Amino acid sequence: GAGVSQSPSNKVTEKGKDVELRCDPISGHTALYWYRQSLGQGLEFLIYFQGNSAPDKSGLPSDRFSAERTGGSVSTLTIQRTQQEDSAVYLCASSYRDMSAPLHFGNGTRLTVT
Amino acid sequence: DQQVKQNSPSLSVQEGRISILNCDYTNSMFDYFLWYKKYPAEGPTFLISISSIKDKNEDGRFTVFLNKSAKHLSLHIVPSQPGDSAVYFCAASGGGSQGNLIFGKGTKLSVKP
Repeated sequence: GAGVSQSPSNKVTEKGKDVELRCDPISGHTALYWYRQSLGQGLEFLIYFQGNSAPDKSGLPSDRFSAERTGGSVSTLTIQRTQQEDSAVYLCASSYRDMSAPLHFGNGTRLTVT
Repeated sequence: DQQVKQNSPSLSVQEGRISILNCDYTNSMFDYFLWYKKYPAEGPTFLISISSIKDKNEDGRFTVFLNKSAKHLSLHIVPSQPGDSAVYFCAASGGGSQGNLIFGKGTKLSVKP
């Protein structure tokens, strides 16, 4: 498939544990975005990559959240010492240019912190 | 402080009739607007967009209207089909938000057969 792939699709973790979420963007897409959607809320921007650098990480909610992208392709979002309020669907999207081109979203990772 | 607002959380329409989904924004620097559709357990998919230099963009059954003076845009679906039932998100970019596409909270559309 040529779409954005995210893994795992579901993750249940205990409060205080670290989790790592993975995103494989569409091949050739230079821009990569992480969003999250909490229950009953819209999509909340987390971080934006252009290539391997992150010109906008203003949406990361705390220093427990970090993300990296390697080889201009795969990205991982890491949440350390998870809290219950981190429970949400984490969505990754990619674009061949930037926001002026439509974003293509993956199906998301549903994170549940117990 | 929501910059993109979708004030109707849900909308129910009869098959064959017109669906009108509304969106308001507060940042006058936004210059590009998009609508995304989302089915349960799937990521949002791009539907249609409009640049601030236009006031209308049409693609098949979908038309987006932009009223810059009112900071308002709307998505018209006509005729509506049961397969259109989904959550629709309005999004905006520009105004120095280089990487930040701002989304509304979404409107759940139900099209009844």
